[in-house]
Amino acid sequence: DAGVIQSPRHEVTEMGQEVTLRCKPISGHDYLFWYRQTMMRGLELLIYFNNNVPIDDSGMPEDRFSAKMPNASFSTLKIQPSEPRDSAVYFCASSSQWTSGGLVKNIQYFGAGTRLSVL
Amino acid sequence: GEDVEQSLFLSVREGDSSVINCTYTDSSSTYLYWYKQEPGAGLQLLTYIFSNMDMKQDQRLTVLLNKKDKHLSLRIADTQTGDSAIYFCAESPDNFNKFYFGSGTKLNVKP
Repeated sequence: DAGVIQSPRHEVTEMGQEVTLRCKPISGHDYLFWYRQTMMRGLELLIYFNNNVPIDDSGMPEDRFSAKMPNASFSTLKIQPSEPRDSAVYFCASSSQWTSGGLVKNIQYFGAGTRLSVL
Repeated sequence: GEDVEQSLFLSVREGDSSVINCTYTDSSSTYLYWYKQEPGAGLQLLTYIFSNMDMKQDQRLTVLLNKKDKHLSLRIADTQTGDSAIYFCAESPDNFNKFYFGSGTKLNVKP
């Protein structure tokens, strides 16, 4: 499997522009997560989906941020309008639960991230 | 809410052992994880331990779990310069789905 694929790897935009980040999860995974990483705040969970349905969006900073998952193989994170303080690395991760030896297991696999710079 | 704490930096010499520590707050955490992040890359799973285990060994990696003190450690034997990275501890409470990550420990390995 190719792993979690994110695009673009780097995005430079001007304040006020719309930014769309894309993610293709690992095939067969039914959970998808969006994280943001900054020096100041570390790794923050923004939102996660289960079977394409948003389950918890309590980490989404404000209404400028929105995320969709139209099907099992694609998700987007959109920022409109973007601001300089949105500059960060955005990661997508996917996971699936399985049972082994009577134990439920769950591992998250991360994409390489999108480095966003808002000027 | 859940709180995962790690020291920010660790510096060791090549060939020495590294020990990265982590404390967590949720006693119901079922799994605890160690992830590695190299510069410009995403987080890569190194190893994980189930909460009913005290220790797990995988080649140069040893994970120790003290559930009473809610303390997790990662020991890297014979540390190499290629081990230089940020190491994240994470816990997964009962719902299994949300992971709570620490701030990461930056390991610097000096030749």
